Amino acid sequence: EVQLVESGGGLVQPGGSLRLSCAASGSSFSWYWMSWVRQAPGKGLEWVANTNQDGSDRYYVDSVKGRFTISRDNAKNSLYLQMNSLTVEDTGLYYCAREGGYSYGSPLDSWGQGTLVSVSS
Amino acid sequence: DVQMTQSPSSLSASVGDRVTITCRTSQSISTYLNWYQQKPGEAPKLLIFRASTLQTGVPSRFSGSGSGTDFTLTISSLQPEDFATYYCHQNYITPPVTFGGGTKVEIK
Repeated sequence: EVQLVESGGGLVQPGGSLRLSCAASGSSFSWYWMSWVRQAPGKGLEWVANTNQDGSDRYYVDSVKGRFTISRDNAKNSLYLQMNSLTVEDTGLYYCAREGGYSYGSPLDSWGQGTLVSVSS
Repeated sequence: DVQMTQSPSSLSASVGDRVTITCRTSQSISTYLNWYQQKPGEAPKLLIFRASTLQTGVPSRFSGSGSGTDFTLTISSLQPEDFATYYCHQNYITPPVTFGGGTKVEIK
């Protein structure tokens, strides 16, 4: 079973940047699409971005397009989220999650524990 | 975008009750609907995928059904450890991937 560990969260001022990392255990990281999902305090889940196995396809929710960049390094079993021009609306717990490897409609079958991003002046 | 509408947004139930949560999508997604459970302070956990397939290790009191635009998560006999928030999710018509708003199951 894969283990996912996020890091890189913290307190940042509006307009600032952060880079989140997700370290995956195991040798099959490169087989799977990977996602970032966030959860604002007391709110529901919101998908942020995902990328395919080699990082050549990347998709984003509209609210982060042009500000966030998802990437991965399969040699390091790592997923990243570069977040620029942060706003208070980006505050929340950011989860790294693995997509389950199906051709269509893959569930998110493994999740990290999340890293907290707080955007405040 | 596929809109996901869960109902109810919250419910109160007793141990042993049968609980049903519904998820309606704005477009047909066949059976590509997934359900998650999230307890306070924890990451979400996959319960059911493809509308009705139980993830490994999930108790059989959980079941899912539906296709097209209407889906149901049922807990046949609510246990103390089932008090949590439940989310539906689709990763079929994307981007974006979308989640329902959540259903909080509380103790009566």
